Amino acid sequence: RKEVEQDPGPFNVPEGATVAFNCTYSNSASQSFFWYRQDCRKEPKLLMSVYSSGNEDGRFTAQLNRASQYISLLIRDSKLSDSATYLCVVSRDNDMRFGAGTRLTVKP
Amino acid sequence: NAGVMQNPRHLVRRRGQEARLRCSPMKGHSHVYWYRQLPEEGLKFMVYLQKENIIDESGMPKERFSAEFPKEGPSILRIQQVVRGDSAAYFCASSPGQIKTGEKLFFGSGTQLSVL
Repeated sequence: RKEVEQDPGPFNVPEGATVAFNCTYSNSASQSFFWYRQDCRKEPKLLMSVYSSGNEDGRFTAQLNRASQYISLLIRDSKLSDSATYLCVVSRDNDMRFGAGTRLTVKP
Repeated sequence: NAGVMQNPRHLVRRRGQEARLRCSPMKGHSHVYWYRQLPEEGLKFMVYLQKENIIDESGMPKERFSAEFPKEGPSILRIQQVVRGDSAAYFCASSPGQIKTGEKLFFGSGTQLSVL
């Protein structure tokens, strides 16, 4: 079983749609949680950290459920520029473990 | 304040040659991480280094791969006697402190290694 699992998608949604991504992790000792965004053939960039209390940054909302070892990302009012691969990231000890990513395409 | 700098951006090698990938962390960052990404796959942790020390190399193949982060100069990921399976994007990331204390990673643009 992979340490961080994501639905690979692709998710194809129209502009303005709301889309949600899920992620599960296997190691209960994981300490910090993030969502990164990766555009094709480019480096991952931090989108937002994920906290147990839930956090929101504009159109993006992230949730963490430690008991279920589950992380989510909600994107409201999707824009064309949101098209990318979204990586769920879990950190433990000295490194970060990346999910394989969920691909999102927002269409006009 | 320059970001994480990796070079070369693209590297082509023939089977059996050596590949040297360089990474200069962000100013003020003393922690460097190397990741490998195969097409359509996620990033795989390879090695974590601090200045002059390898802290965790649990993701590094036991043979042909080595990494260093000298006191002066960039971090180097070295792959000897490359094979076609080494073809991938290699990303370097840096942070000002340890990830386990909540630090975030900042990534370089990556080196795309192609082995012919």
